[in-house]
Amino acid sequence: ETGVTQSPTHLIKTRGQQVTLRCSSQSGHNTVSWYQQALGQGPQFIFQYYREEENGRGNFPPRFSGLQFPNYSSELNVNALELDDSALYLCASSHSGQPTDTQYFGPGTRLTVL
Amino acid sequence: QQPVQSPQAVILREGEDAVINCSSSKALYSVHWYRQKHGEAPVFLMILLKGGEQKGHDKISASFNEKKQQSSLYLTASQLSYSGTYFCGTEALDFGNEKLTFGTGTRLTIIP
Repeated sequence: ETGVTQSPTHLIKTRGQQVTLRCSSQSGHNTVSWYQQALGQGPQFIFQYYREEENGRGNFPPRFSGLQFPNYSSELNVNALELDDSALYLCASSHSGQPTDTQYFGPGTRLTVL
Repeated sequence: QQPVQSPQAVILREGEDAVINCSSSKALYSVHWYRQKHGEAPVFLMILLKGGEQKGHDKISASFNEKKQQSSLYLTASQLSYSGTYFCGTEALDFGNEKLTFGTGTRLTIIP
């Protein structure tokens, strides 16, 4: 059974640029959630995708957008990058997006915005 | 609203016990506990559901008091491998848009 994978591991961008982060969900999981974790803070929910549809969104501006593909892998896109977007971006996959589901996290992508 | 964890940090000697608390202002459906080591992804520990159940495995257990919207994580006879930052994640009873909301974190350091 393959775990959750994310790419790239690290990324450096400048203000105003756009970035795409990728996540492959664990085998058998159809739900992917994205989180932003600033240094020293807990993960903050960005949005969740269930069977290719957005299934919940946190308090993030529209420049944070996402996609889920038929194989349930997912992308997080961030436009017009700001310095405060520097963080660890985590994706987590779960079996069905239910509140009782365990979410399994990937290793994260460390984004630095200069 | 983000659940509040206490204490923020604790240092223990190997073999000592620890209790980490998580408190929410919202009516909760479930509480999830994770441990995150520095530079790594959060690792799932356990989930507790509305109904006040208590769960545990090995020397780590947790309880959920739904009347108080509080959960506690108990680590007994702590081992060096227990070091890390512990987060509670809560799902509100209204199943709103927010999904899993993580707490402020508790940094646990176990020393020999």
